[in-house]
This record gives sequence, structure tokens and C-alpha cells, in this order.
Amino acid sequence: KAGVTQTPRYLIKTRGQQVTLSCSPISGHRSVSWYQQTPGQGLQFLFEYFSETQRNKGNFPGRFSGRQFSNSRSEMNVSTLELGDSALYLCASSLGYSLYEQYFGPGTRLTVT
Amino acid sequence: AQTVTQSQPEMSVQEAETVTLSCTYDTSENNYYLFWYKQPPSRQMILVIRQEAYKQQNATENRFSVNFQKAAKSFSLKISDSQLGDTAMYFCAFTQFGNEKLTFGTGTRLTIIP
Repeated sequence: KAGVTQTPRYLIKTRGQQVTLSCSPISGHRSVSWYQQTPGQGLQFLFEYFSETQRNKGNFPGRFSGRQFSNSRSEMNVSTLELGDSALYLCASSLGYSLYEQYFGPGTRLTVT
Repeated sequence: AQTVTQSQPEMSVQEAETVTLSCTYDTSENNYYLFWYKQPPSRQMILVIRQEAYKQQNATENRFSVNFQKAAKSFSLKISDSQLGDTAMYFCAFTQFGNEKLTFGTGTRLTIIP
């Protein structure tokens, strides 16, 4: 079974631009969660989608948004990029029925200049 | 709000020795899960072990075991017969029952010395 895939793996953007990151979960998984990892703030939860609905949300500004498609693939979007948005963005997938076996993707390294 | 604390930013141990990583957490919930994740230099986060709060028996996975002290809100990870491939960042994480959101600690960087 293929693991969680994230595209692109690396991205360089300029302040003020917007960016879209993609996550394809493990086949059969319906929940996708997104996390931001930075040296200063560590790992922080962004949001979780289950069956195309946002089920949980972290404490991030509205510039951070996401969505999930009918095939469970998920995208997250960051608008009006700031230098502080430079981070590793991880997504994790699970069946979504509180079985607590989340599988992480390799991450997308975003650099904002 | 739940918090997870890892008080050891870095640790190192000789290959084949045993090492214990510490984690404490704070929650008012009674039903929750605790995890240890490993993040090697490749950055892929890998689940090492999971503990259900309602289970008194400590979880074990091959060379990895936990010491779960619910009253003390402590959840330490013991790695036996450490191997070079165990070199990684280790994160302790918490989630309350019915929720997929993970709250992570700040991590412990573990180095296995040959």
C-alpha cells in the first residue's frame, strides 16, 4: 500500500505570494490533518478534514485554509505569505474513526524570501 | 488546553545501551491517547508506540517500551539495545479520545554513538 504523498517537496516563494500544497492520503483513509513544523514553534496543528468537511482547526490566522476532495486528497493554501510561514508542512492521514494510527507524509519544505 | 513537555532537548548514548526519554503532559481529560513519534534526518515522522490511557498495561513494541504513570501524568519511552538507526528526534504527543488532533512536545534529539 502506498504511503502518504505530499507535493511539492520543496518550494520557494516570495513574501505576499500565495501557495498551495497537496497531500494524498493512504488509500481508504478519510481523515487528513495538517501540521506546521518550525524550529521556534515546534509542531503545531493546522486543521483536520474528514469526508470533505473541516472537523477541527488550530490557532492559525485565516490566511491558512484547506479543503478536501471526494477522493480524500487534501490541499492547504496560504495566502499573503510572510517570512514566518517558512516551515516544514506535514500532513497525516488516518481512517478517521479515532483509531489513532496516523501516518505522516514526507512533508513540504516551504521557504519564503 | 493540553500541554506536553519534554525536558531533555538532547541525549546521547552508546550503541547497544538502554536510554529513557521523558515526557510529561497536562490534561483534564480522562480518556486520551499518548504516542511517541520518531523523526529521523529524512524528516518522515514515524509512529514508534501508542498507549491508551484506559489501559494499565504499558505498551511495548520490540525494543521500545513505555512507562505510563497516569496519576503522575508521565509517559517515558525506553529504548533497549539501541541501534545507530535510532538516531532521530523523538516527539511525545497527546490526543484526546474522539479527536484526531495531536499535541506535540518540543522533542528530544537522540544520538546513538557507535
